[in-house]
Amino acid sequence: GESVGLHLPTLSVQEGDNSIINCAYSNSASDYFIWYKQESGKGPQFIIDIRSNMDKRQGQRVTVLLNKTVKHLSLQIAATQPGDSAVYFCAETGAGGTSYGKLTFGQGTILTVHP
Amino acid sequence: KAGVTQTPRYLIKTRGQQVTLSCSPISGHRSVSWYQQTPGQGLQFLFEYFSETQRNKGNFPGRFSGRQFSNSRSEMNVSTLELGDSALYLCASSPDRVIQPQHFGDGTRLSIL
Repeated sequence: GESVGLHLPTLSVQEGDNSIINCAYSNSASDYFIWYKQESGKGPQFIIDIRSNMDKRQGQRVTVLLNKTVKHLSLQIAATQPGDSAVYFCAETGAGGTSYGKLTFGQGTILTVHP
Repeated sequence: KAGVTQTPRYLIKTRGQQVTLSCSPISGHRSVSWYQQTPGQGLQFLFEYFSETQRNKGNFPGRFSGRQFSNSRSEMNVSTLELGDSALYLCASSPDRVIQPQHFGDGTRLSIL
């Protein structure tokens, strides 16, 4: 079935470095993409989202890039901090119909930031 | 504004029992979705409710059911529990039909003995 998948299950960086987490998706009808951060013992926390009519969106220290041609999504975290250590998930959904309220998640990437 | 609240946080049950989990969405949010999270399968969509109606359902057996009340609070029920139902069950809410991010609670950790 269609799914969103992550290529790199783990990523280790030094504090202050920039981090890039990648995600591939297979559903060409995907209309909306979200990045979540999940810390141990907590639910996923919204980071940033992007619609399919955009290529790039920036937030505070984070940037999401969307390449619809190759169905690729990335999350860039600037000046990574130890508090950024967590599991990061990409998720996608389509527009309406069978997509109502349904996010399809990638498997997740474990980001570890070393002081 | 308070976040999504799920109760209880932890549950231990035995095979064959049934369980009911509760979710209170963010005030004003009318859509509630449920997910199951396991190490092997990741996050998988169970179902979504909007205005007390199930609008969407994932690929889970009929033992998994849910409902939504007029105040948007939602419950999910799992009957005839199996060992494989051990998981973190997450609830997420969003405002309405307009595509907006879902906001998650911290989940209910269900362990089946």
